[in-house]
Amino acid sequence: KQEVTQIPAALSVPEGENLVLNCSFTDSAIYNLQWFRQDPGKGLTSLLLIQSSQREQTSGRLNASLDKSSGRSTLYIAASQPGDSATYLCAVSDSGNTPLVFGKGTRLSVIA
Amino acid sequence: GAGVSQSPSNKVTEKGKDVELRCDPISGHTALYWYRQSLGQGLEFLIYFQGNSAPDKSGLPSDRFSAERTGGSVSTLTIQRTQQEDSAVYLCASSPSPGQDYYNEQFFGPGTRLTVL
Repeated sequence: KQEVTQIPAALSVPEGENLVLNCSFTDSAIYNLQWFRQDPGKGLTSLLLIQSSQREQTSGRLNASLDKSSGRSTLYIAASQPGDSATYLCAVSDSGNTPLVFGKGTRLSVIA
Repeated sequence: GAGVSQSPSNKVTEKGKDVELRCDPISGHTALYWYRQSLGQGLEFLIYFQGNSAPDKSGLPSDRFSAERTGGSVSTLTIQRTQQEDSAVYLCASSPSPGQDYYNEQFFGPGTRLTVL
């Protein structure tokens, strides 16, 4: 059974700092990996999707990497801003059209 | 274009009552998923639809939970005889059809917050 773990559970950083969020999964036979952002009381916003054949994806200040063989992904946020404060969730799917398995998230606070 | 929508946004009910939660997926998306997010539990899968069929219902926690999808579009999640442990945020997601540039990217609605008193 696939399990996804995110470390740390919470993180507080000063504005402008670069930071890394970690995600690990137990079964390396994944189809893709998605990173989401969730603001309090809101739904999930998709940030980046990495296919199993890819090593990384970039969007603006965000860069996500995938090392499938070791079961790890990282989300790198450059030059953090207070508006980046949210919970970041990592999720994997084992094949096309299958449910996502989620980690419990990292709650990020960026202090001005 | 319009994203995934869910209604109601909030629902407060008394223990033992039935509730219906609605999801409108992105137009043209054939796959639809229901998830539940509880405090301390994270996000857990409930049921998956491909068109009007539900090939995977493995996440439904009990027979009080059921869901249907009509016309390959709108889906309704029904909880009968609600219990306090059913209190959670219920999230719906949709995904496009398999085909060119298909990656099973799931797009989520804003959720329905259910409170059972």
